[in-house]
Amino acid sequence: EIVMTQTPISSPVALGQPASISCRSSESVVHSNGKTYLSWLQKRPGQPPRLLIYKVSERFSGVPDRFSGSGAGTDFTLKISRVETEDVGVYYCMQGTEFPWTFGQGTKVEI
Amino acid sequence: EVQLVQSGGGLVQPGGSLRLSCAASGFTVDNNPMSWVRQAPGKGLECVSVMSGSGITYYANSVRGRFTISRDTSKNTLYLQMDSLEPADTAMYYCSGLANYWGQGTLVTVSS
Repeated sequence: EIVMTQTPISSPVALGQPASISCRSSESVVHSNGKTYLSWLQKRPGQPPRLLIYKVSERFSGVPDRFSGSGAGTDFTLKISRVETEDVGVYYCMQGTEFPWTFGQGTKVEI
Repeated sequence: EVQLVQSGGGLVQPGGSLRLSCAASGFTVDNNPMSWVRQAPGKGLECVSVMSGSGITYYANSVRGRFTISRDTSKNTLYLQMDSLEPADTAMYYCSGLANYWGQGTLVTVSS
């Protein structure tokens, strides 16, 4: 299975400052159809996961534009341009290119 | 508006069974990949089962042979039948459509 590795594990950040999370896959997550099914999800305590970014850089409906995704092949990045209080939580990258779908171990963003 | 409403779950003894349901609205379960993802206490997210739009199924090694994913297109509902439950299956279980849409979660506790 494709192993997803995130760094850092924890990211303390001041309000209004940027945050960046990296995700590396053990092999390419480019599908045979040419698309890259790499997503970023936010998980807050007591809430279900929330999709932020899909196909590397597409922002999901309703997601603020301070969230952005980039990358290709095996290396991907989620950036929050200015962290707000509501952004506190754990962020996961996920590949949906190949079964089994796999998640990174999570990055905790805290103020 | 897309909604995935989960039901089922609860407390069960080791070796017991449970069935989780995920009723969809605004979204069709038979045209899209649907999955069950769980989060054990203090752990990360784990995909335990997926059903593709064409009906191909996948199971994590830890649940293969014990869990069965299925769907009822007439009810637009996804199911997860969980048999021979073990304490390690204790987790919050979420259904997901495409990973875009998520149910509210249902807690499964396996304990004597």
